[in-house]
Amino acid sequence: SQTIHQWPATLVQPVGSPLSLECTVEGTSNPNLYWYRQAAGRGLQLLFYSVGIGQISSEVPQNLSASRPQDRQFILSSKKLLLSDSGFYLCAWSPGTATYEQYFGPGTRLTVT
Amino acid sequence: DQQVKQNSPSLSVQEGRISILNCDYTNSMFDYFLWYKKYPAEGPTFLISISSIKDKNEDGRFTVFLNKSAKHLSLHIVPSQPGDSAVYFCAASHFGNEKLTFGTGTRLTIIP
Repeated sequence: SQTIHQWPATLVQPVGSPLSLECTVEGTSNPNLYWYRQAAGRGLQLLFYSVGIGQISSEVPQNLSASRPQDRQFILSSKKLLLSDSGFYLCAWSPGTATYEQYFGPGTRLTVT
Repeated sequence: DQQVKQNSPSLSVQEGRISILNCDYTNSMFDYFLWYKKYPAEGPTFLISISSIKDKNEDGRFTVFLNKSAKHLSLHIVPSQPGDSAVYFCAASHFGNEKLTFGTGTRLTIIP
């Protein structure tokens, strides 16, 4: 069966510091991968998605970036965090072949102070 | 432009009764719809989906209804249980689109 991992679970970072959140998927190959953010009291905002290694689509212009160095690894990064980057970050995967369902990881709570 | 709307931010229902969560969409290209359930500090979990070729899909206590002419879908939970207390998101997509468009969510509280 497939599993998705995210770490860390929680993170407190000062403004201006860098960020690296990691997501890995097990039990499948060539998945579509997604990064979402849920701000307090808000819905799910798609940040980035990838349909293959090295291929990244950005949905929202911001100071975040994403990379997919391996087939089942997706990384969310920032060089300098802003207060507005605080939120709950979710990674998701989908089989990517004629199916719409996405399956989410446990999330990372990021607080920028 | 909010293409998927959940106009009720919250809903309280007595245990054992029916919970009805609503979702409206504006993009007529959407042909597949999903419901997710989310507990605090956890990732959303997939509940049930429906294709636009159907108007109803059931899975145990959960039924999703789709009214394409009204661009409206609803999730019925019956009977409601305390463990159903969570935030519910509807989402939509269309053929050839790798992305889902999510609504803003409805917080369901089941009152014992």
